[in-house]
Amino acid sequence: DSGVTQTPKHLITATGQRVTLRCSPRSGDLSVYWYQQSLDQGLQFLIQYYNGEERAKGNILERFSAQQFPDLHSELNLSSLELGDSALYFCASSVGTGGETQYFGPGTRLLVL
Amino acid sequence: GENVEQHPSTLSVQEGDSAVIKCTYSDSASNYFPWYKQELGKRPQLIIDIRSNVGEKKDQRIAVTLNKTAKHFSLHITETQPEDSAVYFCAASRGDSWGKLQFGAGTQVVVTP
Repeated sequence: DSGVTQTPKHLITATGQRVTLRCSPRSGDLSVYWYQQSLDQGLQFLIQYYNGEERAKGNILERFSAQQFPDLHSELNLSSLELGDSALYFCASSVGTGGETQYFGPGTRLLVL
Repeated sequence: GENVEQHPSTLSVQEGDSAVIKCTYSDSASNYFPWYKQELGKRPQLIIDIRSNVGEKKDQRIAVTLNKTAKHFSLHITETQPEDSAVYFCAASRGDSWGKLQFGAGTQVVVTP
């Protein structure tokens, strides 16, 4: 157990819908990262927040957005869902701004039908 | 942006033999290179990392080497054991955005007894 929690574990929804994925980082960690893992794309970095502020951005779609709250938990919002958004979404956390161990959560498996 | 290529995509080794995975990166400013191991159905976990001011780092049966001139780095696993079977991912990031990890496509390692 890494200490990073993610909810829900599984999510099944329909195209066009909107979902919210939640992540709680390890105690003391200030950075939260979001990744998408699909069979054909591997592990893709989406976005990083550090102490409530956006720190780095990857190839995150405009339909996706994230935020980190004052208690440091983070949410990833996915809207206008498409079949291709079906994937495993991981959250990770680290103590600083990067260049250190990232501890991954168990992931949320999203299936868009 | 950064592009990380990883080879081979699959690697089968006999228990006790060595395994080597190689990655090349495109951004000469990259200076942080972690390796993550992901067992089937589990979350990625950091196994070793190296920074650009170091050429080699070792941790028990695992070692990583870095050649900055050639822009490639490698993971070496010696005396492989069945529990080493997993997917291994290399990654790279640069100092102005250390948290933005660009991952390789992964190597499926199978260790047969």
